[in-house]
Amino acid sequence: ILNVEQSPQSLHVQEGDSTNFTCSFPSSNFYALHWYRWETAKSPEALFVMTLNGDEKKKGRISATLNTKEGYSYLYIKGSQPEDSATYLCARRPGNKLTFGTGTQLKVEL
Amino acid sequence: DTGVSQDPRHKITKRGQNVTFRCDPISEHNRLYWYRQTLGQGPEFLTYFQNEAQLEKSRLLSDRFSAERPKGSFSTLEIQRTEQGDSAMYLCASSTTAERSNNEQFFGPGTRLTVL
Repeated sequence: ILNVEQSPQSLHVQEGDSTNFTCSFPSSNFYALHWYRWETAKSPEALFVMTLNGDEKKKGRISATLNTKEGYSYLYIKGSQPEDSATYLCARRPGNKLTFGTGTQLKVEL
Repeated sequence: DTGVSQDPRHKITKRGQNVTFRCDPISEHNRLYWYRQTLGQGPEFLTYFQNEAQLEKSRLLSDRFSAERPKGSFSTLEIQRTEQGDSAMYLCASSTTAERSNNEQFFGPGTRLTVL
């Protein structure tokens, strides 16, 4: 992996479904992995900053895990709601700047 | 509200014109970043400041782009002689170097530039 990659590119789920996305990144020179949620016409919202291999973080119905040795992070949403509809971005931080993936666009339908 | 603010939110200009965007960071944050997002891509790093010093610039930042943070507070990003390829969302973020902050970057809503 040379760049930050996210999959799937887009996802449609029904309200109440649980879902997860993948962020893959170069495992060398790792410093931190950031997750953001970006709703249309709003500012990207910081969800998690993860630094340690094996890290697990949780914020309400959203949680994330980190594997720095193999270079991936998973984001889970339990019981998706329409207000979870957004683009979810991950970004690797080697130093001070963020290198972003292209995002996973989630649409939660009633 | 003490979040990151950007002005204007939208800008439409004709090719060849100059444009300037402003970013006001969270007041206690000493670092300020500019990113650009084009359609179908994630945000890409342009440059960052620590206080008033510009510490890093991306190769994406051509000679037509200049960023300043004269007093270590707000920042401006100017694009001279705009081209259609400059059409993008320009995002600003700020962070603190305080211990335990993990350099978490907080973003503004962006300025969407359209060059006709």
